[in-house]
Amino acid sequence: DTAVSQTPKYLVTQMGNDKSIKCEQNLGHDTMYWYKQDSKKFLKIMFSYNNKELIINETVPNRFSPKSPDKAHLNLHINSLELGDSAVYFCASSQGGTSGGAEFFGPGTRLTVL
Amino acid sequence: AQTVTQSQPEMSVQEAETVTLSCTYDTSESDYYLFWYKQPPSRQMILVIRQEAYKQQNATENRFSVNFQKAAKSFSLKISDSQLGDAAMYFCAYHDSHDMRFGAGTRLTVKP
Repeated sequence: DTAVSQTPKYLVTQMGNDKSIKCEQNLGHDTMYWYKQDSKKFLKIMFSYNNKELIINETVPNRFSPKSPDKAHLNLHINSLELGDSAVYFCASSQGGTSGGAEFFGPGTRLTVL
Repeated sequence: AQTVTQSQPEMSVQEAETVTLSCTYDTSESDYYLFWYKQPPSRQMILVIRQEAYKQQNATENRFSVNFQKAAKSFSLKISDSQLGDAAMYFCAYHDSHDMRFGAGTRLTVKP
């Protein structure tokens, strides 16, 4: 049973397209996160949601928007994709508040923008 | 902004030996968490250990333990009885209610 799942695992698309990455957790956790890992392995938090409320919103471009239809899901929508958006995107979840940090991660989605 | 520094880009250890990975951070907050995450070649991110800043006792998880020096803003990870499966990138991270930062990572190699 997968705790945190992401779809798709790989995404190849053209510049200018709009795409979404889905994330689901079956742990009953209160908080979910999105992270970006660039080609140099550098990790950066993008968003976190606690009980459907955005808690942390890093200075990411507004082309990126998180959508949480319910506590178990936090999807990532990206508009007008750019070459620099190529990275691995991780979804994660945790029990309790956002300051406690991510406990379980999804397998990651490797996004390649051509 | 809070910063997290891992001064060792690469480390190696002999199987069954002990290795310590260094991490320092900068913050003016009093309430925060510190983490070590492991990322093996499979790409999966795994939480290794977590320390709450208000707790003086160092966190331990089986073969993994930390040396948390709050005044010095230091948070090192000690891996005892190293195993081949410990080979991975290790990321130190800082988290408070407003911000989260990662270090650049330390690549650990375990030699048989």
